[in-house]
Parts: sequence; structure tokens; C-alpha cells
Amino acid sequence: DTAVSQTPKYLVTQMGNDKSIKCEQNLGHDTMYWYKQDSKKFLKIMFSYNNKELIINETVPNRFSPKSPDKAHLNLHINSLELGDSAVYFCASSQDSAGPYNEQFFGPGTRLTVL
Amino acid sequence: AQSVTQLDSQVPVFEEAPVELRCNYSSSVSVYLFWYVQYPNQGLQLLLKYLSGSTLVKGINGFEAEFNKSQTSFHLRKPSVHISDTAEYFCAVTHGTNAGKSTFGDGTTLTVKP
Repeated sequence: DTAVSQTPKYLVTQMGNDKSIKCEQNLGHDTMYWYKQDSKKFLKIMFSYNNKELIINETVPNRFSPKSPDKAHLNLHINSLELGDSAVYFCASSQDSAGPYNEQFFGPGTRLTVL
Repeated sequence: AQSVTQLDSQVPVFEEAPVELRCNYSSSVSVYLFWYVQYPNQGLQLLLKYLSGSTLVKGINGFEAEFNKSQTSFHLRKPSVHISDTAEYFCAVTHGTNAGKSTFGDGTTLTVKP
């Protein structure tokens, strides 16, 4: 049983295209996240949702739009892709948004390559 | 505001040697601390966590960490490493009121050589 799953695992696309990454968790968690990991392995939080409500929206271009149709799903849509968007995107979930229940469970990642 | 500093970006060691990966944090309130490991081409997974109680925390794969409040540190140790421990290690901090935002360090690349 996969706890946090992402699709697709690899995504290769041209500049200017629009793409989506899907994430699902079957842990019953209330909080979900999107992270971007660059080529130097730095991990940067992009968004966080708690019970379908956006609670963290870091300085991310407007071209990135998260959507949470329900607690178990958090999708990431990216418009007008740029070369600098190439990275590995991780989805994660946690039981709660803060405190001792903030242990995060990560998906396997989506490697996005923009040509 | 909270922050995390991993003092070593790369740590090369020989197999069966001991290792320590250093993590310092800053926060004005009580914190909860985590170490995650990322094996090549995989997502992060939890190694261990400090929530409260004993300051020495044991995790998976023989790793342990010690919470030191006075030095605001949470260093990760293993007495004898294996080739399979080669990975990226991340220290993270969260606290009770900063909803939704764990702060991750920049990571330490541990390379175990034969």
C-alpha cells in the first residue's frame, strides 16, 4: 500500500506548456504539502493545505496553482512552464499542520524537465 | 521565526567508521525536531524525531540523535556506517504554533566509501 503517491514520476515538456502533477495520500492525514527540490538538493516548501484550506503559500510564481479537491488529494498545476521550473517536486502529508503531529510522509517525487 | 543550519554540506567517511551529522536550530519557542533521509532517486523518509522526554532519541537503521536545548542542537550519529547509508540527510524543525511550516535544513550528503 503506497501511503503518498504522485503521478507522473517523470515529466518532460517544452517551455510554455501547461502541466499538472497529481498527489494522493491514503493515510487519513489532514495536511498536505508541495515541495520543490532543486539540483543542489535544497528543499523548498511551496504550499501547504490543511483540511482543503490553503495555509502556506510561499513566494511562488502565480503560474503555480495548487488545488485540493478533498483531504486526500493535492494537485499542482503549472502554467507557461519555464526552464527554471525543472526540478523534482515532492508531495507530502502529515497528521496535523504543526507540533508533534507534523511528521511528514513524502511521495516518491516527480522529476520535471523543461526543454 | 525558526531556522535550521546543517553545518556540513558533505561528509565522506569510510565504511564501519562512526559519523556525526550536525544540526543547529533557532527558535523562540519549544520545538519538535526531525531527521529525514533521502536515498538516491527516492522521497524523504523519517529517520527519527524528538517530541519530548528523553533527549537521546533512537531511530531506524542504527541512527540516534541527541537534543541539546542549551546548545540548540540536534546532531545525528551512527557508531558504524554501511555503504547503504550513503544518502542525503535533512534536519527539520517545527513548533506548535507555526502551522503548516516545518523548516528544513539544506541537507548533508553522507558518502560512505569502502
